Amino acid sequence: EAEVAQSPRYKITEKSQAVAFWCDPISGHATLYWYRQILGQGPELLVQFQDESVVDDSQLPKDRFSAERLKGVDSTLKIQPAELGDSAMYLCASSQDSYSGNTIYFGEGSWLTVV
Amino acid sequence: AQSVSQHNHHVILSEAASLELGCNYSYGGTVNLFWYVQYPGQHLQLLLKYFSGDPLVKGIKGFEAEFIKSKFSFNLRKPSVQWSDTAEYFCAVNFYNTDKLIFGTGTRLQVFP
Repeated sequence: EAEVAQSPRYKITEKSQAVAFWCDPISGHATLYWYRQILGQGPELLVQFQDESVVDDSQLPKDRFSAERLKGVDSTLKIQPAELGDSAMYLCASSQDSYSGNTIYFGEGSWLTVV
Repeated sequence: AQSVSQHNHHVILSEAASLELGCNYSYGGTVNLFWYVQYPGQHLQLLLKYFSGDPLVKGIKGFEAEFIKSKFSFNLRKPSVQWSDTAEYFCAVNFYNTDKLIFGTGTRLQVFP
């Protein structure tokens, strides 16, 4: 079964440093999502792409977070500078099209610890 | 505001016990409903989903869920749990009017042999 690939799986970084996460969605999936999951909570959407375009980034802290999907395939999520409160799991997911009527498939996530 | 509530934060059961996890959502319009499971150290996996039709949905590993529109609920059930069901369970709702998928806070299930 095809999977959403993410890297790195684990990242420890110091406060104020930059960190980046990479995601390769399931082949052919037009919609890509980045979620953040804080321990003890459910995933929260940070940004949603349809092909290479951002369709929802209302919950993305744009002063320090950025996301891109230049060729409409893989995507990078960057945090600069990292803060202690950014410690969480960052999940990438993809679906054939936007939510309605489609199942979203998740990657294994990237654990970030900011010290 | 649209929201999804999972009232059971932590459930502890013995093997062979029956399971029911609650999920309620706030919106009364058209929704798609999902249950995801996250086994320790693994990614979120789809257990089952409801889009339309029979409100009793059967998923993988013996799980089922019933959509009760009048109660805005989509409770997850399993008649007899196994130790391998130990995991975190998330209810998620796609609200059509905003096309957003919102997750509940999750329920941690521990099953003891």
